[in-house]
Amino acid sequence: DGGITQSPKYLFRKEGQNVTLSCEQNLNHDAMYWYRQDPGQGLRLIYYSQIVNDFQKGDIAEGYSVSREKKESFPLTVTSAQKNPTAFYLCASSIRADYGYTFGSGTRLTVV
Amino acid sequence: SQQGEEDPQALSIQEGENATMNCSYKTSINNLQWYRQNSGRGLVHLILIRSNEREKHSGRLRVTLDTSKKSSSLLITASRAADTASYFCATANAGGTSYGKLTFGQGTILTVHP
Repeated sequence: DGGITQSPKYLFRKEGQNVTLSCEQNLNHDAMYWYRQDPGQGLRLIYYSQIVNDFQKGDIAEGYSVSREKKESFPLTVTSAQKNPTAFYLCASSIRADYGYTFGSGTRLTVV
Repeated sequence: SQQGEEDPQALSIQEGENATMNCSYKTSINNLQWYRQNSGRGLVHLILIRSNEREKHSGRLRVTLDTSKKSSSLLITASRAADTASYFCATANAGGTSYGKLTFGQGTILTVHP
């Protein structure tokens, strides 16, 4: 059963910590994306990757980093430089840019 | 940057009624897509309409696209309580460095009362 899996579902971060959010897909999609959603808001693009070993900054990349070493995996690290990291993080993948996205179920990150 | 703006921000209707949501955007697009999000969940792709299409149907969904006005509408007919969710439009820009990204609107919160 193909899909996209995000883990963990809930994550708590202390001030000054880096945390990594996992995103794995078995859909054989080339493109993968990370979005951030704040309460009552739309989605804002953090990073995206159209092919292995290549990725591009989105609109709000500051304080975040990614890697794309395997086609199936696109982890997102929220660094201590991200001053307001509390949000809902969504990972997505697609065959091509002009096709629809498949989304994961999200990770809710809270700073404690 | 937010490409799409949706209207209304919230919509409350009775079961059986039709729901119409609108989306406006600013730049030339390759396609426009509509997504649904249940509370606290990921988004689900509903329908994609390409820039050379004017209308598309999928079950109880009807999407129109007017590229001259840079706007789209999503109509849900005979709504059900299970349609209660947030609905987002998203645009894929035409060519250039934006190829590969979707830009999402703020969403419309639809509540369907039984």
